[in-house]
Amino acid sequence: GQQVQQSPASLVLQEGENAELQCNFSSTATQLQWFYQRPGGSLVSLLYNPSGTKHTGRLTSTTVTKERRSSLHISSSQITDSGTYFCAMDSGGSNYKLTFGKGTLLTVTP
Amino acid sequence: AQTIHQWPVAEIKAVGSPLSLGCTIKGKSSPNLYWYWQATGGTLQQLFYSITVGQVESVVQLNLSASRPKDDQFILSTEKLLLSHSGFYLCAWSLDRGDTEVFFGKGTRLTVV
Repeated sequence: GQQVQQSPASLVLQEGENAELQCNFSSTATQLQWFYQRPGGSLVSLLYNPSGTKHTGRLTSTTVTKERRSSLHISSSQITDSGTYFCAMDSGGSNYKLTFGKGTLLTVTP
Repeated sequence: AQTIHQWPVAEIKAVGSPLSLGCTIKGKSSPNLYWYWQATGGTLQQLFYSITVGQVESVVQLNLSASRPKDDQFILSTEKLLLSHSGFYLCAWSLDRGDTEVFFGKGTRLTVV
C-alpha cells in the first residue's frame, strides 16, 4: 500500500531561521498536500501541490513526482509556526485514500 | 463559502457505551466525505469515505461504522465503545478525487474511560 515518510521527525529552530521539511512516498502521487496542526487542534491545509513548485506567504512546496518526493520550505520562521506538519498523498486507484506521514514536529524558539 | 461542522466538540464515554459523531458540510453539492482518526500524538488514519448519499466504503476495520443519510451529512457510530477508540476524530471533504484539496473539520476529541 501507499507509504509516506517524513523527515526530520522533529526540528528546533530559532525565530528567523528557515526550515526544510521532506516527504518521500512509495508510489506516484496524483494528490499531494501539506497540512499544519497546532497541539490539540485540527488540520489546516497549507499547500496542495501534486507537482511543481507552489508558494503561499512564507511557504514554498516543491514536488518532484518522478522522484516521489516533496519538500516544504518555511522562511523566516516565527514562534507561531510551531506545531506538527503533515504530508499526505493519494496515488489513485479505486480506494479514495489519503495516506499521511507521521509528521514533523517543529518548535520555534525566541 | 463552504463550511464544515462537527459535533460534538468533545465526548467522555464509558467502555461498552454507544457513540454517534456527526459532520455537516454546507455550501458544496455532492462532496466526497471522509472520516479520519488520530491517536494522541500520532498520525492520521483514514476510516471511511463516501462519494455519494447512502454509499460508504470502509478503509480500515476498527469496530466502527459510518453512514451518509443526506448529501451533506456523515455519521460515525458504534454500538459498543472500546478503550482503543479514544482519540481525535476528524471529518473531511473534497470536491472530487484526483485534483482537489481535502479540507478538515475542527474534530471531536473522544475519551473512552
